[in-house]
Amino acid sequence: ETGVTQTPRHLVMGMTNKKSLKCEQHLGHNAMYWYKQSAKKPLELMFVYNFKEQTENNSVPSRFSPECPNSSHLFLHLHTLQPEDSALYLCASSQFGTSGSTDTQYFGPGTRLTVL
Amino acid sequence: SQQGEEDPQALSIQEGENATMNCSYKTSINNLQWYRQNSGRGLVHLILIRSNEREKHSGRLRVTLDTSKKSSSLLITASRAADTASYFCATRYNNNDMRFGAGTRLTVKP
Repeated sequence: ETGVTQTPRHLVMGMTNKKSLKCEQHLGHNAMYWYKQSAKKPLELMFVYNFKEQTENNSVPSRFSPECPNSSHLFLHLHTLQPEDSALYLCASSQFGTSGSTDTQYFGPGTRLTVL
Repeated sequence: SQQGEEDPQALSIQEGENATMNCSYKTSINNLQWYRQNSGRGLVHLILIRSNEREKHSGRLRVTLDTSKKSSSLLITASRAADTASYFCATRYNNNDMRFGAGTRLTVKP
């Protein structure tokens, strides 16, 4: 479980707050992901970074802003969230090869976010 | 939707029994993976089966893949209380993306 770490583990914020989630991977991977997990719903892929470049943004509202300063760190900046944004936010990493294939994703423990 | 769908949504069995979970998908895949999630934690990779494989084993886990039916099954034999968790299938359909289903919640009663 120390391969991918996330902080904080729990976060409660008001709708007018600005906060950031942090993810760090210690596996030497070059691809990182943000997922949103709501109760009884499939994991929603939010953002993908490959070699620090954002390669996918699945129509995520602009109140979520990702940042990937290097291949080991990934942030999710939060601003003026809504109560329906309350969920478990999971970070993952994987190794993207020269052939373009990726296999296993390694997940962090998640940040449980509650928006009041 | 290109994501996998697990069936059943919830499964409750006695310790020692076998547990079978199914996953169906709609598009051609490169591989299919099964993950496990304990309550409120991150997902842990269990096993990967490629599109040209039909069956794989890992300890008490057995995964099958039927590409003609676009379905996969995960069998956990001789279940233990510690197997209680949610199990997700993930289908990979391009080089840097996977789609997860909503999961099967497995409860193993001691």
